Amino acid sequence: EDQVTQSPEALRLQEGESSSLNCSYTVSGLRGLFWYRQDPGKGPEFLFTLYSAGEEKEKERLKATLTKKESFLHITAPKPEDSATYLCAVQASGNTPLVFGKGTRLSVIA
Amino acid sequence: SAVISQKPSRDICQRGTSLTIQCQVDSQVTMMFWYRQQPGQSLTLIATANQGSEATYESGFVIDKFPISRPNLTFSTLTVSNMSPEDSSIYLCSVGGQRNQPQHFGDGTRLSIL
Repeated sequence: EDQVTQSPEALRLQEGESSSLNCSYTVSGLRGLFWYRQDPGKGPEFLFTLYSAGEEKEKERLKATLTKKESFLHITAPKPEDSATYLCAVQASGNTPLVFGKGTRLSVIA
Repeated sequence: SAVISQKPSRDICQRGTSLTIQCQVDSQVTMMFWYRQQPGQSLTLIATANQGSEATYESGFVIDKFPISRPNLTFSTLTVSNMSPEDSSIYLCSVGGQRNQPQHFGDGTRLSIL
C-alpha cells in the first residue's frame, strides 16, 4: 500500500531561520512526487513536481529535493508570508490516485 | 492553470439532510476529482468523475452516499446524502493530473453537520 508520512507535524520558525520539511514515502513505482501549499480557508496550491531521485526544483525561498525514499522541502530565510500547511503527495506508476501526507503546519514569526 | 470555482464555500446543515456541491472549471477538462479533507487527516480521494461515464469511487466511498454528476467537460456536482456529524469536513474539487501535469484544486466547501 502506498504511504506518505510528513514530519514534523508542526514547525515554528523565526523569520530568517532556515529549515527543512520531510516527506517519507513508500510507493510501488514512483510516477511523481508533488508539493503543495495550503493556506487557511483555501485549497492546495501546486508548488513542485519531482520525478526521479536526485532531482531538485526551486521557487523563491523554497527548494524541493528527492531521493528514493524521501523528499525534503528546504525553506531558506523564511518570511511570515511563508506560513502555511505544506502537503506532500505521491503518484504511483499508471494513473493511480494521488496519496497525500497529513501535512506540516509551518509558522514563521517576525 | 485552470480556475476552479466551488459553491457553496461553506454551509451548516442539519443531520439527515443532503447537500449538493458544485464545481465549475474555466476550461474543458477530461477528469475531475472529488476529495475529502477531515481535520488532522490527509486529503482522501472520494471519486473520479469522467464526462459521459459513471464516476469511479475509491474504497470506502459509495455512490448512494456521494452521488456525482458530470454533465459536461467544465462542470461537476457532488452530493453528500443523509448527512451525519461524521460528514463534517472540507470537500475539494480538483482537475488535471494527466500527461504528467499536476492536479489543481478549488478552494473547497466547508461543511458542518449539526
